[in-house]
Amino acid sequence: GAVVSQHPSWVICKSGTSVKIECRSLDFQATTMFWYRQFPKQSLMLMATSNEGSKATYEQGVEKDKFLINHASLTLSTLTVTSAHPEDSSFYICSARVAGKYEQYFGPGTRLTVT
Amino acid sequence: QKEVEQNSGPLSVPEGAIASLNCTYSDRGSQSFFWYRQYSGKSPELIMSIYSNGDKEDGRFTAQLNKASQYVSLLIRDSQPSDSATYLCAVTDSGAGSYQLTFGKGTKLSVIP
Repeated sequence: GAVVSQHPSWVICKSGTSVKIECRSLDFQATTMFWYRQFPKQSLMLMATSNEGSKATYEQGVEKDKFLINHASLTLSTLTVTSAHPEDSSFYICSARVAGKYEQYFGPGTRLTVT
Repeated sequence: QKEVEQNSGPLSVPEGAIASLNCTYSDRGSQSFFWYRQYSGKSPELIMSIYSNGDKEDGRFTAQLNKASQYVSLLIRDSQPSDSATYLCAVTDSGAGSYQLTFGKGTKLSVIP
């Protein structure tokens, strides 16, 4: 149980284009989903927290107009990187939380390369 | 500033030995504590959660929590080369309604065959 999927697992895009990453909870309803970014050999960095049907809460320093998050249902959240630049190249990972519990279950991650 | 501190390692142990990973946290109001394992190039995987003082065992893993000392540890018995990974300690924020986790930077474990 508690399986989270992400799609795509990797993506290469040109500078200036937008990329959408999907995060799905496959066998549970996720009240809250989280989006993280991880650069090589660095720790996880929380980007934003999203609750179903509400606007996402972004961490300080994360541009909400650049990283658009939509949590449309209890099983799906999307992260859209708009006008991507090479410095946005990173490993993007989502996690999901079951209502009433604190554990976060992580998706397999999406490796984004912007050329 | 809520902080979770871990020794970055690398921690090297021989195969079959006990690996001991430690973590301290600054937020005295934290209630829930987790250990995640992250293999290189992969996402974190939840391996243990602990909520009350004492020990919690699950197979070869034992989590230990001491809230008075703000200390949580993970013991891995009979370490295997497949245990080689970075282990992340995570702690919930104590804010009302907050479900965010604060992660340590991780301890890299290397199990030598």
